[in-house]
Amino acid sequence: DAGVIQSPRHEVTEMGQEVTLRCKPISGHNSLFWYRQTMMRGLELLIYFNNNVPIDDSGMPEDRFSAKMPNASFSTLKIQPSEPRDSAVYFCASSFGQPGNTIYFGEGSWLTVV
Amino acid sequence: GQSLEQPSEVTAVEGAIVQINCTYQTSGFYGLSWYQQHDGGAPTFLSYNALDGLEETGRFSSFLSRSDSYGYLLLQELQMKDSASYFCAQYNFNKFYFGSGTKLNVKP
Repeated sequence: DAGVIQSPRHEVTEMGQEVTLRCKPISGHNSLFWYRQTMMRGLELLIYFNNNVPIDDSGMPEDRFSAKMPNASFSTLKIQPSEPRDSAVYFCASSFGQPGNTIYFGEGSWLTVV
Repeated sequence: GQSLEQPSEVTAVEGAIVQINCTYQTSGFYGLSWYQQHDGGAPTFLSYNALDGLEETGRFSSFLSRSDSYGYLLLQELQMKDSASYFCAQYNFNKFYFGSGTKLNVKP
């Protein structure tokens, strides 16, 4: 079975540029999560979708960040404009329904903003 | 978010047993999970406890005490490949919140 697929795996961009990260969750999963990982702040939950609907975006750091899930098989996380402090690994994860069910992580998108 | 406390780093030798503790906040608590992450990799699921007691999966076991808001991951017969970061994650209100992680160093 294909796992959670993220792209790009690595991106280096200049400050001020728009960055779009993409995620394809595992087929049949109805919950999708975006996490950000840094040495200083660990794994932070940015936003959570259930059945394609954003349920909680309280972790989104500021208005420069936006996320969408137009259908059950695709989600994007956009940063516009990007800043050096956005440099991190961004993980997408998905799970199916039941509380406490395992969440499966993608391999991450390594973002460097210079 | 939720606050989970776990030690930042633990060192042990091959073949030994190590316990990684985690304390969590009770608000909305539903269950506690453990994830392993190797350097440069993605977190992968190890275990989940919703009820008090011990869950055993091979060399790894996880324990939960809801009355103490406490859990631990027990790794037995340590192998070099177990060197990684281990995260406890609290399941609240349909979301997982992760602790800051414990870096386990296994030495020969």
